[in-house]
Amino acid sequence: NAGVMQNPRHLVRRRGQEARLRCSPMKGHSHVYWYRQLPEEGLKFMVYLQKENIIDESGMPKERFSAEFPKEGPSILRIQQVVRGDSAAYFCASSRVEDYNSPLHFGNGTRLTVT
Amino acid sequence: AQSVTQLDSHVSVSEGTPVLLRCNYSSSYSPSLFWYVQHPNKGLQLLLKYTSAATLVKGINGFEAEFKKSETSFHLTKPSAHMSDAAEYFCVVSDDSSASKIIFGSGTRLSIRP
Repeated sequence: NAGVMQNPRHLVRRRGQEARLRCSPMKGHSHVYWYRQLPEEGLKFMVYLQKENIIDESGMPKERFSAEFPKEGPSILRIQQVVRGDSAAYFCASSRVEDYNSPLHFGNGTRLTVT
Repeated sequence: AQSVTQLDSHVSVSEGTPVLLRCNYSSSYSPSLFWYVQHPNKGLQLLLKYTSAATLVKGINGFEAEFKKSETSFHLTKPSAHMSDAAEYFCVVSDDSSASKIIFGSGTRLSIRP
């Protein structure tokens, strides 16, 4: 039973380019969370999605960042016109139900480096 | 407002000695509390969770944590450290109201000396 799959594992972009991060949740999971982790810091919530719906995007920067979780295919976190401050590890987690007391299942993350 | 504080950014112990990773929380509700472990270049893995059943929670790899409401603490312990325990540990609090209210601590890096 495959876990949460994220790709790419490492992504290098020059300032001004676009970054696309993909997340396939565990089989049977229809809830996806995106988190950002800066060095020496914990995970910061970005966005929570269910299939075709953004439920909570209160942690997303207002500009340049967007997320989607289409009916078919992986969830995508898109960062337009990247800047050096976007360099971080981005983690996706999934759950089967909408229960914030249930554990989250995490992918191995995408490490974005902006040069 | 919810918050979680991990009191030590780095803990170093000798192999075979006890481990104590401290976590204090604040929450307006009866919270759910979790400990996750992150090995280098990996995602987070659940160690254990507390959801208002027994106050002493046993997790994987010999770890356990005790919920103490009077002290608002949820410290993680293990009687005897193993080299493979070296990792980053995160304490997490959730008040079951929304995804954005799942709050992660800043992490404690555990090092194990041979």
